Amino acid sequence: GAGVSQSPSNKVTEKGKDVELRCDPISGHTALYWYRQSLGQGLEFLIYFQGNSAPDKSGLPSDRFSAERTGGSVSTLTIQRTQQEDSAVYLCASSLRRAREVTQYFGPGTRLTVL
Amino acid sequence: DAKTTQPNSMESNEEEPVHLPCNHSTISGTDYIHWYRQLPSQGPEYVIHGLTSNVNNRMASLAIAEDRKSSTLILHRATLRDAAVYYCILRDISSGTYKYIFGTGTRLKVLA
Repeated sequence: GAGVSQSPSNKVTEKGKDVELRCDPISGHTALYWYRQSLGQGLEFLIYFQGNSAPDKSGLPSDRFSAERTGGSVSTLTIQRTQQEDSAVYLCASSLRRAREVTQYFGPGTRLTVL
Repeated sequence: DAKTTQPNSMESNEEEPVHLPCNHSTISGTDYIHWYRQLPSQGPEYVIHGLTSNVNNRMASLAIAEDRKSSTLILHRATLRDAAVYYCILRDISSGTYKYIFGTGTRLKVLA
């Protein structure tokens, strides 16, 4: 079946501009995660959505970052007034539910470059 | 706040078995151990996971120590396509999100 998809695959923007990154999770998956991977680094958690519950935003690095998930499916991550340190690969993952043994499925990521 | 420790890099010859170690000395009794790999320019790909017993699937085997403080991912016959960064991951269950806590992973180089 279809996996997690993300768009765009690459985004180049100028410092100070706003960007929107999109994630389409696997159909029926109630849990959705955003992670960020800076050059040569491991993945860091950004935000988590579970069904209709309030999202866990504890990983967002600043108030310039926000995310929403409409209808329990598609999610968008918005970065306002982008800075060069925001350059990274942004990865989305989904899982069937929130549970210890349930695996997350990752999308291919969006590579963001802020000039 | 990574919960796992892995060697930064390892090398293997093609067609030979590879044993990738991971230490997770602070693991709780209900933590599952997940392994993912990340090929260049791709998102992480699920490999295997387990709780206490050793696990096998078509990609790999997972050997879990009796005290669960370490585990080993075993690739039975490495191929060039197995060259990737391998992550041993525990989940953050305290926050309720069950998010993955990634360490720095092991970069596996496979020599032809």
